[in-house]
Amino acid sequence: DQQVKQNSPSLSVQEGRISILNCDYTNSMFDYFLWYKKYPAEGPTFLISISSIKDKNEDGRFTVFLNKSAKHLSLHIVPSQPGDSAVYFCAARGVDSNYQLIWGAGTKLIIKP
Amino acid sequence: NAGVTQTPKFRVLKTGQSMTLLCAQDMNHEYMYWYRQDPGMGLRLIHYSVGEGTTAKGEVPDGYNVSRLKKQNFLLGLESAAPSQTSVYFCASSYRMRGTDTQYFGPGTRLTVL
Repeated sequence: DQQVKQNSPSLSVQEGRISILNCDYTNSMFDYFLWYKKYPAEGPTFLISISSIKDKNEDGRFTVFLNKSAKHLSLHIVPSQPGDSAVYFCAARGVDSNYQLIWGAGTKLIIKP
Repeated sequence: NAGVTQTPKFRVLKTGQSMTLLCAQDMNHEYMYWYRQDPGMGLRLIHYSVGEGTTAKGEVPDGYNVSRLKKQNFLLGLESAAPSQTSVYFCASSYRMRGTDTQYFGPGTRLTVL
């Protein structure tokens, strides 16, 4: 059973608008959540993270929101730029799994000019 | 700094053949990881190492072995390749797993087992 789910395989957004990527999780023992970005033929690169004791973290155009009661987190990108076109992975760190990262399947974001 | 490098970038094997994937990092990281990524799935941890001379099993360790003889290198071995091991393999490193340090990834190795 997938503990971290990204239910949208792809998302298309107009340049300059807001991109919202979603992630749901089932394990209440996750203590830390991360978003990674991946371009084709490259490895994932770290984007932004949030601790389970917070509900929001912001870094420039990127903001991550955490709703613990709903076991849901989202990544907001404002404004969206062509270079944001990539696959975005949500990952969660499990206190009960020796702090290993559990990854979602990814969402492919396409920014239209 | 090269960061994390992986060798080779591509490989095609026949069922039953063996091979070793090499990962090297020049950031003096203690922790190193091997993941596999399959279509429609997230990255899954195969094995990891918390320091030179140590290794531990991840989520999907069967069919793989690893060694960390030097701090900067982490090797992933397939003793008898199977078609189910066709995947993209990523190596990563970090300062420590339990902290909030970022994992840095290599570019990946695309392996096809016929």
